[in-house]
Amino acid sequence: GAVVSQHPSWVICKSGTSVKIECRSLDFQATTMFWYRQFPKQSLMLMATSNEGSKATYEQGVEKDKFLINHASLTLSTLTVTSAHPEDSSFYICSAGVKAYGYTFGSGTRLTVV
Amino acid sequence: GENVEQHPSTLSVQEGDSAVIKCTYSDSASNYFPWYKQELGKRPQLIIDIRSNVGEKKDQRIAVTLNKTAKHFSLHITETQPEDSAVYFCAAKERETSYDKVIFGPGTSLSVIP
Repeated sequence: GAVVSQHPSWVICKSGTSVKIECRSLDFQATTMFWYRQFPKQSLMLMATSNEGSKATYEQGVEKDKFLINHASLTLSTLTVTSAHPEDSSFYICSAGVKAYGYTFGSGTRLTVV
Repeated sequence: GENVEQHPSTLSVQEGDSAVIKCTYSDSASNYFPWYKQELGKRPQLIIDIRSNVGEKKDQRIAVTLNKTAKHFSLHITETQPEDSAVYFCAAKERETSYDKVIFGPGTSLSVIP
């Protein structure tokens, strides 16, 4: 159990365009999903906490207008990187909490902005 | 908020030796401490976790200890094997309102030399 699917696994987009990343909990309902960003050889940095049916809570320094998060259902959260720039190139990964303990990560999305 | 420190940043051991990674956390209210293993380009995998009401937990070659008074916890890997080579992240769950954030340490790159 506790499977989290993330799509796409990798994406290349042009500078100035937007890209959407989906995070789905396949076999459980996740009221809370977390979005992380990981630059090469660095740790996972929490970007925002996404709660179903309400606005996401962003960490300090993360632009909410650039990283749009929508958690429309108990099994789906999306992260949209708007007006992407090369410095947004990173590994984006979601996780979903199960019974408030233990976190399952999605497979991650490698974003390259050219 | 919670702050997690981790040492060492890199660790090389001979196959068969033990490896120890140490972490400290700042928020005394944190009550859940997972450890993740991340291989290059892949999602972090939970390898062991410990809750604040337990001082030690063991799973085959992996063990974790927790000292709540000192606010530090450690990962111990015995009889290391080349496949143990990866980046290991400790984490602490920060209590906040109705959902809990997991804050990661900066990671330890472990190399097991055959």
